[in-house]
Amino acid sequence: EVQLLESGGGLVQPGGSLRLSCAASGFTFSSYAMSWVRQAPGKGLEWVSTITGGDGTTYYAESVKGRFTISRDNSKNTLSLQMNSLRVEDTAVYYCAKTRGDWSSGWYFDYWGQGILVTVSS
Amino acid sequence: QSVLTQPPSVSGAPGQRVTISCTGSSSNIGAGYAVHWYQQLPGTAPKLLISVNTNRPSGVPDRFSGSKSDTSGSLAISGLQAEDEADYYCQSYDSSLSGWVFGGGTKLTVL
Repeated sequence: EVQLLESGGGLVQPGGSLRLSCAASGFTFSSYAMSWVRQAPGKGLEWVSTITGGDGTTYYAESVKGRFTISRDNSKNTLSLQMNSLRVEDTAVYYCAKTRGDWSSGWYFDYWGQGILVTVSS
Repeated sequence: QSVLTQPPSVSGAPGQRVTISCTGSSSNIGAGYAVHWYQQLPGTAPKLLISVNTNRPSGVPDRFSGSKSDTSGSLAISGLQAEDEADYYCQSYDSSLSGWVFGGGTKLTVL
């Protein structure tokens, strides 16, 4: 059974930093891309970042480019998101999502964690 | 303003059929990128409902079906049940943004 468990959320002041982690189990972690998707309170879903399973190529939404860094440790089956220069508008529940597909058939998020709340406020 | 456009809400009585549209453009769905659908029950994480336009993951009832045409995708739910009351999101890839995009979400109310 695929399990994704996020940790590291909490309250941080604007301009501060936070590091999210996602512990994965139940599948061959290194073989799959992984992503972060967020949801602001009462709002819809927003893709944040993706890292491929093979060569670790990274992709970022424009809203977080240059501030967030996605990484993975295949030896520990762990996905991370380093968030710097946080803004009030980064306040959201952040979901870790197993990502599958390819460029011909399309990439999608087949399993999701329960989410972790990040609140950016003074 | 989401790149993919969904109706904010739809409703139907138990047993009825409803459809949710997802309208994109020539840089996403119209460019040939697949449409995927997610169901988010109140207070829970999203769950994959339909992948690559029409595919139902194991465990998803066949009351749910997806389709794609030109620059839009569609999710149909037949035999509506109370437990289907949730938010539904479409998702694709956008070449202009070089990233994955979601629709704004549609709240389904079972009357």
